Amino acid sequence: GAVVSQHPSWVICKSGTSVKIECRSLDFQATTMFWYRQFPKQSLMLMATSNEGSKATYEQGVEKDKFLINHASLTLSTLTVTSAHPEDSSFYICSAMWARPRDTQYFGPGTRLTVL
Amino acid sequence: KQEVTQIPAALSVPEGENLVLNCSFTDSAIYNLQWFRQDPGKGLTSLLLIQSSQREQTSGRLNASLDKSSGRSTLYIAASQPGDSATYLCAVRDAERDDKIIFGKGTRLHILP
Repeated sequence: GAVVSQHPSWVICKSGTSVKIECRSLDFQATTMFWYRQFPKQSLMLMATSNEGSKATYEQGVEKDKFLINHASLTLSTLTVTSAHPEDSSFYICSAMWARPRDTQYFGPGTRLTVL
Repeated sequence: KQEVTQIPAALSVPEGENLVLNCSFTDSAIYNLQWFRQDPGKGLTSLLLIQSSQREQTSGRLNASLDKSSGRSTLYIAASQPGDSATYLCAVRDAERDDKIIFGKGTRLHILP
């Protein structure tokens, strides 16, 4: 199956700093990538959908100015958590798909963010 | 708005037993339903995917069924092993918004050696 990687796998930062998380499709070109957030013992919640070369579409309640998403190439999407606070501590997972609609989504291994 | 519920939230069973995990969803207009496994602090491993036109899928000791009209799916695990201990997530792909996947909160399974 297709492989999606995330970097870093975990990160610890101080409150007020910005953190960038990368999502890469290693063996296919991803026209669309999705970013999810998972709090402990909760389900994965879709944060935003990004299409290569265009602005991301954010889910209701997700602050676009706080969670900056860039999908500049067909193999890379980045999520930047700006001015991170402890409540942003979570597990962030991306997924990628080659074609819309309804192609298979391949999930990355996730990034654990801890904000002190 | 689609909602996915998984019952029970946690389950402990002795090794060797057969078990069933339940998933229900509120809107039957789904494109497909997928079961994932998630180990602590890890990403998702896809176990089984059932298209909306299918009734069940099998892989090894796992069998997933889908009753779209009643909004239910079950994951059957036969002859459970300690290595099956993990959180099992049920997720539906919305037919209306065709790329959005809605996840349940999962069932935390612990197989007792």
